Amino acid sequence: IAGITQAPTSQILAAGRRMTLRCTQDMRHNAMYWYRQDLGLGLRLIHYSNTAGTTGKGEVPDGYSVSRANTDDFPLTLASAVPSQTSVYFCASSPNSGSQETQYFGPGTRLLVL
Amino acid sequence: GQNIDQPTEMTATEGAIVQINCTYQTSGFNGLFWYQQHAGEAPTFLSYNVLDGLEEKGRFSSFLSRSKGYSYLLLKELQMKDSASYLCAVQDSNYQLIWGAGTKLIIKP
Repeated sequence: IAGITQAPTSQILAAGRRMTLRCTQDMRHNAMYWYRQDLGLGLRLIHYSNTAGTTGKGEVPDGYSVSRANTDDFPLTLASAVPSQTSVYFCASSPNSGSQETQYFGPGTRLLVL
Repeated sequence: GQNIDQPTEMTATEGAIVQINCTYQTSGFNGLFWYQQHAGEAPTFLSYNVLDGLEEKGRFSSFLSRSKGYSYLLLKELQMKDSASYLCAVQDSNYQLIWGAGTKLIIKP
């Protein structure tokens, strides 16, 4: 059982390029999340999905888009990367989206935008 | 606004006890989580509190006071492998997690 996988592990990207970060979970969790983690700041929610076919905006959604075509996959796309999007990106999932739901994290993608 | 405060860094000695505090101001409250994050790795779940009081799990305990907007994580019998960052997160009225910046715990032999 893999849990949550993310790809790529790390990436160097030229500014202005388009990039999709992949996230797949095999736990049949309904809810999925994308966070970014920057030094000195807490994890910040970019987008989330409470169930397949639905998505919502988090705290810092600008410059990012997501889709949730099925339960397992939740890709995050940067349409035109900028240096301020340099960060570590974590995908997470939870069984459902309500109270007391523990989130489980993937290993992260380290992205450097030059 | 929403705010979670934790100390940036703490140092403790192997075998000792350390308490990591977290204070919060959020729009609504549906529980408080503690996660552990080793350098370069993903956060992993440690504990969850929704009612006032102490929850004990082996060497780790977590306390919550909702009236004070306060929680702490207590680590006993510290081991070198406990060197990590400890993240406090509050689930708000929309069931989203609001995260503190984390406390880096350094364990010295």
